[in-house]
Amino acid sequence: DQQVKQNSPSLSVQEGRISILNCDYTNSMFDYFLWYKKYPAEGPTFLISISSIKDKNEDGRFTVFLNKSAKHLSLHIVPSQPGDSAVYFCAARGNAGNMLTFGGGTRLMVKP
Amino acid sequence: DAGITQSPRHKVTETGTPVTLRCHQTENHRYMYWYRQDPGHGLRLIHYSYGVKDTDKGEVSDGYSVSRSKTEDFLLTLESATSSQTSVYFCAISVSGTTGSNEQFFGPGTRLTVL
Repeated sequence: DQQVKQNSPSLSVQEGRISILNCDYTNSMFDYFLWYKKYPAEGPTFLISISSIKDKNEDGRFTVFLNKSAKHLSLHIVPSQPGDSAVYFCAARGNAGNMLTFGGGTRLMVKP
Repeated sequence: DAGITQSPRHKVTETGTPVTLRCHQTENHRYMYWYRQDPGHGLRLIHYSYGVKDTDKGEVSDGYSVSRSKTEDFLLTLESATSSQTSVYFCAISVSGTTGSNEQFFGPGTRLTVL
């Protein structure tokens, strides 16, 4: 059973608008949540993270929101740019070995 | 750039042959990981290492073995490759950052095709 799920396989938005990517998890023991961006033929790159004791973390155009009661997090990108077009993975960190559990990914397409 | 390289970057092999993928890091990080990426599954952990000669299984370890005889190198071996092991393989290292999240940094990947 997947502990981390991204239910939307793809998302298309217009340049300049907001992109909202969602992620749900089941394990209440996760202590950190991370977002990664992946371009074709490259490895994933770290984008932003949030501790389980916080509900918001912001870094430039990227903001991650955490709703622990709903076991839900979201990544907001404002404003969206064509260069943001990529696959986005959410990940959750457990306690052992700094291991991450990844969601299935959401492909974001930002149209000019 | 966390100084991670993977070799080979592409490989085509036949069912039943052994395959070894290499991950090399230049910054002496303790933790190293091997993942596979498949459509709809995201990245799944195969094995990880927390030091020289210290390794443990991940979520999808069947059919894979690993070795770490030096801090900088983490090898992934498919003893007898099967078509279900066709995938893109990523190596990662864990870095203790100021945020406390110990984010992982990934290599460029190896695309493996088993015919």
